[in-house]
Amino acid sequence: NAGVMQNPRHLVRRRGQEARLRCSPMKGHSHVYWYRQLPEEGLKFMVYLQKENIIDESGMPKERFSAEFPKEGPSILRIQQVVRGDSAAYFCASSPNRRPSGANVLTFGAGSRLTVL
Amino acid sequence: AQTVTQSQPEMSVQEAETVTLSCTYDTSESDYYLFWYKQPPSRQMILVIRQEAYKQQNATENRFSVNFQKAAKSFSLKISDSQLGDAAMYFCAYRTTQGGSEKLVFGKGTKLTVNP
Repeated sequence: NAGVMQNPRHLVRRRGQEARLRCSPMKGHSHVYWYRQLPEEGLKFMVYLQKENIIDESGMPKERFSAEFPKEGPSILRIQQVVRGDSAAYFCASSPNRRPSGANVLTFGAGSRLTVL
Repeated sequence: AQTVTQSQPEMSVQEAETVTLSCTYDTSESDYYLFWYKQPPSRQMILVIRQEAYKQQNATENRFSVNFQKAAKSFSLKISDSQLGDAAMYFCAYRTTQGGSEKLVFGKGTKLTVNP
């Protein structure tokens, strides 16, 4: 079991460009969560997705950020027209297919570090 | 909204000694889950220990144990016989049982240094 796979591990973009971060959940997991970690901070929830559905996007900035989890393929976090303040580590986590339950434990990927020049 | 506070930005401990990391949280819910995650320099988030709020018994995982004080909304992590590999950022996290989401609320973390 390969775990939660995130790529790229490091991404450098210039201001105004687009950043796309990918996340493949663990085998058998269909719930995906994205978190952002700013320097010297804890992780902050951004969005929770199931296949083809956004369940909770209460932590997503209103503009420039979007996320999807298609029927086939990885989940994508997309940041348009990046600014320096978007520089952070972005973590994906997944949990099992079964109905969300307190018994489930999120498994995290190793994160993608975005640097905006 | 729930909040999690870790009041110690940094802690250090001698190898083989014991250290306790503090965490407090604020919630109006009666049932919830609490977690400690470790983040080594590799940045991988690793689950250390989990506590269900309805359980009075403190969770234990080998050298790691918690002191869960529900009334005080306190959830400290004790690391016994500290090892060099324990050096990392440690994050306390809260999860609601409401709303069908497994969303976690994290504290800002405590950086633990282990001195040989």
